[in-house]
Amino acid sequence: AQSVTQLDSQVPVFEEAPVELRCNYSSSVSVYLFWYVQYPNQGLQLLLKYLSGSTLVKGINGFEAEFNKSQTSFHLRKPSVHISDTAEYFCAVSNNDMRFGAGTRLTVKP
Amino acid sequence: NAGVTQTPKFQVLKTGQSMTLQCAQDMNHNSMYWYRQDPGMGLRLIYYSASEGTTDKGEVPNGYNVSRLNKREFSLRLESAAPSQTSVYFCASSVESRQPYNEQFFGPGTRLTVL
Repeated sequence: AQSVTQLDSQVPVFEEAPVELRCNYSSSVSVYLFWYVQYPNQGLQLLLKYLSGSTLVKGINGFEAEFNKSQTSFHLRKPSVHISDTAEYFCAVSNNDMRFGAGTRLTVKP
Repeated sequence: NAGVTQTPKFQVLKTGQSMTLQCAQDMNHNSMYWYRQDPGMGLRLIYYSASEGTTDKGEVPNGYNVSRLNKREFSLRLESAAPSQTSVYFCASSVESRQPYNEQFFGPGTRLTVL
């Protein structure tokens, strides 16, 4: 079965700084990869997904992620964060079922 | 178009009480899911329903039962609540679970506390 590891449980950054949230996965077969965002007291919303093709995927709110098959990684990046990006971010891998990482809490400080 | 709705939003139970969490979707999706979210553990699948009339266990099914009432509705029941079931519960739906490239759409969650 596939699994997901999010390498940082918390990431504090200052407003307008770049950020990278790290995600590694393990699977013996091809998988589909997702990033979801959860704002306080809300459900999860899809940020972006990788299905095939270009390894650089662009999502909503200026986020992008790069699929690296050799390193089994799918890191999420944003070049300049806003206060409103403060949220919890979940990486997920899907083959037969969807497995979520433990989450990374991004806190953007003024 | 409300997407995925859940009721109630909050609930406090005493140990041993029972309750049912309700979920409905209006996107004509075939598949529905119940997850629990605990700090530091992400989301873990409790049960899912690939299509109307079918249900299957997920990663953490013990202590729960589900009913896929029709295509729109999927309920989660706790027959005898325990403190270990204190969690935030999310319902989700997708077009088709057998197509793993489909995203899941989530409800707003139910925050359950068992005393």
